[in-house]
Amino acid sequence: NAGVTQTPKFQVLKTGQSMTLQCAQDMNHEYMSWYRQDPGMGLRLIHYSVGAGITDQGEVPNGYNVSRSTTEDFPLRLLSAAPSQTSVYFCASRNRYQGSSYEQYFGPGTRLTVT
Amino acid sequence: AQSVAQPEDQVNVAEGNPLTVKCTYSVSGNPYLFWYVQYPNRGLQFLLKYITGDNLVKGSYGFEAEFNKSQTSFHLKKPSALVSDSALYFCAVRGVLYGQNFVFGPGTRLSVLP
Repeated sequence: NAGVTQTPKFQVLKTGQSMTLQCAQDMNHEYMSWYRQDPGMGLRLIHYSVGAGITDQGEVPNGYNVSRSTTEDFPLRLLSAAPSQTSVYFCASRNRYQGSSYEQYFGPGTRLTVT
Repeated sequence: AQSVAQPEDQVNVAEGNPLTVKCTYSVSGNPYLFWYVQYPNRGLQFLLKYITGDNLVKGSYGFEAEFNKSQTSFHLKKPSALVSDSALYFCAVRGVLYGQNFVFGPGTRLSVLP
């Protein structure tokens, strides 16, 4: 049971480049989400998904796209990287329904630098 | 709208002394409350949660937290701090209504001095 995995661990992009951050979980969780972590701002929700085929925007969605074709995978796409997207990105998952453990499980993070 | 405040950016405590990391929240209706810890270059690890029931909840590594509904607070405590407790601590809230997302506080850096 690997939990939540993320790749890559580190990435440097030039302004305007695109890339996809990968996230996978093996706990059969319905709910998955992407956060970015910036100093002094905690974690801010980018996008989330309550199940395969269903995604929605969080607090800071601009410049990012997501899709959810399977329960296990939830990739985050940066369409045209900007220096403001320099951050640490975390993927998380949890059970969706009442009676579950409620807490979220986090991946190890991807540190992205945009120059 | 949901929000979480952690009024202290940094908390310093001597090893062996009790520690408190403060958290206050705002949410419509009853809250689900959580504490997470982040060690350097790592993801967030779950420490404890309040869902319902006893206001004092116990979690991992000897940590506990007290839910105070009237003060809308959920302070994290430990009776005797260890140097290894030094890390970044996040409080988070989620409303009980279906579909509500987690909202995290800005984090408090705890330094336990030997």
